[in-house]
This record gives sequence, C-alpha cells and structure tokens, in this order.
Amino acid sequence: GAVVSQHPSWVICKSGTSVKIECRSLDFQATTMFWYRQFPKQSLMLMATSNEGSKATYEQGVEKDKFLINHASLTLSTLTVTSAHPEDSSFYICSARVGLPPGPQETQYFGPGTRLLVL
Amino acid sequence: GQNIDQPTEMTATEGAIVQINCTYQTSGFNGLFWYQQHAGEAPTFLSYNVLDGLEEKGRFSSFLSRSKGYSYLLLKELQMKDSASYLCAYMDSNYQLIWGAGTKLIIKP
Repeated sequence: GAVVSQHPSWVICKSGTSVKIECRSLDFQATTMFWYRQFPKQSLMLMATSNEGSKATYEQGVEKDKFLINHASLTLSTLTVTSAHPEDSSFYICSARVGLPPGPQETQYFGPGTRLLVL
Repeated sequence: GQNIDQPTEMTATEGAIVQINCTYQTSGFNGLFWYQQHAGEAPTFLSYNVLDGLEEKGRFSSFLSRSKGYSYLLLKELQMKDSASYLCAYMDSNYQLIWGAGTKLIIKP
C-alpha cells in the first residue's frame, strides 16, 4: 500500500524558534497533500491543502505567515512553524492524496504524525 | 461549523458487538469514511461508503443511508486491540474530508 513518512516524529524546541516538518510519499506521487493539527482528545483540524507547484490553500483562522507550506515536488511537502510558541504544541499530521477523488478505496494516506512541544 | 456528529465515548465488552453511529448534514456529498486512530498515532483507513447499504470487511462493517445522513460502523467479536478512537468523515462537494470529533471506544475484558 501507499506509504507516507513524516520527519521528525518528535520535536522539542524553545519558544521563538522555527521548526520544519517534512512529509514524503514514498512509493507514489501525491498531487495533493494536506496538513492537519490535532489537539488532545480532539478531532483532526485541517490547516491547509497543498498542491504541487502552487501556493497552499489555508483554512480560515490559520496564519499562512506562521505556518509556511512548501510543496516543491510530487513526493515532498514541508510545513514550517515559524516563531513557535507553547500554544503551537500539538500533533501535526500530513496526508497525501493519490489521483482524483472520489474512489472506492482510501482517498488519503496519512503520515505517522509529528508531535511538537514548544517550551 | 461543519455538521457531523458522533458519540464522544462508548464502552463495550471483549467478544461483543458495538455499533458507532455518525450523522451528518451536507448539501454536497461524495462519500463517507471511517478511520481508526490509536492514541498518539495517525488515523488508518477502515471503510468508504458512497452508495446506500452495508459494506462488510471482516469483523468491521459500515452502513450508509444518504437520505437520512446517517452511517454506522459495526465492530464484531471485539478484541482489546480495538480500543481506539473511531473517526467518521464525509467528503464534501469540494472533495475535502470533513471530520467528526471521533468516538473513543473502550473495550473491557
């Protein structure tokens, strides 16, 4: 099956620093990648949709200057949390979509997630 | 907000059957998904329904009624490893997944 990796899986950083999270589709080309954030005991919150070669589309309330997304190739998207603060501490999950939805199989393949703790 | 609702938490006994319901309201619909998410992990796909009826896949089955805006996930022969959160999500007219808050399923011996 399709595999999506995320790196790093864990990151602890000081307040004010920037953190970059990578999302890679390992065995397929992803035309669209999604970035989610999940706080404890809450559901996934879509932050942005990223299409290869174009600017990301951010959800309402998500600061695009704070959460920089780059989708430079069909297999790699990065999320950079700039000037991170303790309230940015969360579980960040990326997912990649193959082809055009909808379909009878899973439409999104999720990465394992990155847990960010900002001190 | 987006109109999708599922119970917050359910408890069931090992070996038993449990049904997790999900209701939604949307004008554009392109299918209903169920995902399983263990604590601290990313969601994993369980099922996809786009037509009315029951889809069976081993111990797990998923049902959809589009006219009622209703779906359920049925888990049979429950095992301790089934303890997890179960997320339902519908795909809207923009092919975007709209997620429920998840149902935490607790399995007791």
